[in-house]
Amino acid sequence: DVKVTQSSRYLVKRTGEKVFLECVQDMDHENMFWYRQDPGLGLRLIYFSYDVKMKEKGDIPEGYSVSREKKERFSLILESASTNQTSMYLCATAAGAMPNEQYFGPGTRLTVT
Amino acid sequence: AQSVTQLDSHVSVSEGTPVLLRCNYSSSYSPSLFWYVQHPNKGLQLLLKYTSAATLVKGINGFEAEFKKSETSFHLTKPSAHMSDAAEYFCVVSFNDYKLSFGAGTTVTVRA
Repeated sequence: DVKVTQSSRYLVKRTGEKVFLECVQDMDHENMFWYRQDPGLGLRLIYFSYDVKMKEKGDIPEGYSVSREKKERFSLILESASTNQTSMYLCATAAGAMPNEQYFGPGTRLTVT
Repeated sequence: AQSVTQLDSHVSVSEGTPVLLRCNYSSSYSPSLFWYVQHPNKGLQLLLKYTSAATLVKGINGFEAEFKKSETSFHLTKPSAHMSDAAEYFCVVSFNDYKLSFGAGTTVTVRA
């Protein structure tokens, strides 16, 4: 089974802090994604990566950056957290040519106060 | 503009009765289509996917969906609801290779 793990299940940060969300997968998938999930809005793509050191902006990249130094790890960075970034963050991976099934991690619920 | 719309934000059914979750998309192309389910406090799980093969797609747990190009719809059905079907369901469309566009979600409640 594909396993996608996220570093924290719940996280509370203060406004202005730098926040790192980590995602690790164990299936050697080329593609990795970061989404945020908000009630009534579904999931919205923040960034994705189709190879090590490669990244592409999604639909809502403002206020976020990403890093993929190794194939199995994809990090989401909030340079200066703001209250409107309070949300559920989901990491996903997918193998091979897209579109293909995405496998999701359990999510990190981030609260920025 | 390309978009995906789930027509019901909440559906309530009795156990043993049929479930219908409606999804329409807007696209100039023939997209790839998916349904995902999210149980409370769990990650998203793929129910089924359509990628231009048979228009009636069977998924896990007794769900199926029919792609109707003329209606730009991809509705999800199950003949008999079970209590374990209570969850949030997302219709997902891929308009290009990497990006998935998610609908707003439909919450299903199953009454005993």
